[in-house]
Amino acid sequence: GDSVTQMEGPVTLSEEAFLTINCTYTATGYPSLFWYVQYPGEGLQLLLKATKADDKGSNKGFEATYRKETTSFHLEKGSVQVSDSAVYFCALRENSGGSNYKLTFGKGTLLTVNP
Amino acid sequence: NAGVTQTPKFQVLKTGQSMTLQCAQDMNHNSMYWYRQDPGMGLRLIYYSASEGTTDKGEVPNGYNVSRLNKREFSLRLESAAPSQTSVYFCASRQNRGRSNQPQHFGDGTRLSIL
Repeated sequence: GDSVTQMEGPVTLSEEAFLTINCTYTATGYPSLFWYVQYPGEGLQLLLKATKADDKGSNKGFEATYRKETTSFHLEKGSVQVSDSAVYFCALRENSGGSNYKLTFGKGTLLTVNP
Repeated sequence: NAGVTQTPKFQVLKTGQSMTLQCAQDMNHNSMYWYRQDPGMGLRLIYYSASEGTTDKGEVPNGYNVSRLNKREFSLRLESAAPSQTSVYFCASRQNRGRSNQPQHFGDGTRLSIL
């Protein structure tokens, strides 16, 4: 079955540091890939997505590139802020058609940014 | 913009008690989902409803039942709560548009403790 593996946290950085959170996936077809963010006490929000190989998703200074050859979708940000402290989830959705709209999530990575 | 609304936000139950978690969305979405979030486990799908009048099991359905009351509402019921069901429960909804990759929108969660 489909699976998503994220780097284990927690990750602690100083403000303005460079961020990478690794994500790799296993899927039988050609999935769409997502990064969701969960701020303390809130639900998940879509951060960015990519639907096919070599697509780059970007939002709020975060980027991730869909790499089919390495089955990866690593999240990066050049300069993190304290407000980026949250849990980040990588997810995939298999594009097999039909009524299967389920997401498969990674376990999440807690990011803490210190001033 | 309310989006996805979950009630209650917090609940404490005794083992064996029953409880219904409510979820409503005002975005006219077709699909709705119930997840549980546990430390180190990410989000796991309990049940989902691809459209009004249909429900399907997810990854961890045992001990739960669901009702898609109408297009707006999707409730999750614990008939006889067990301590293993202590978790944070998230409802999500999504618009189906063929095979396009519309994101899931999440509520803020229900924090459920079972003693």
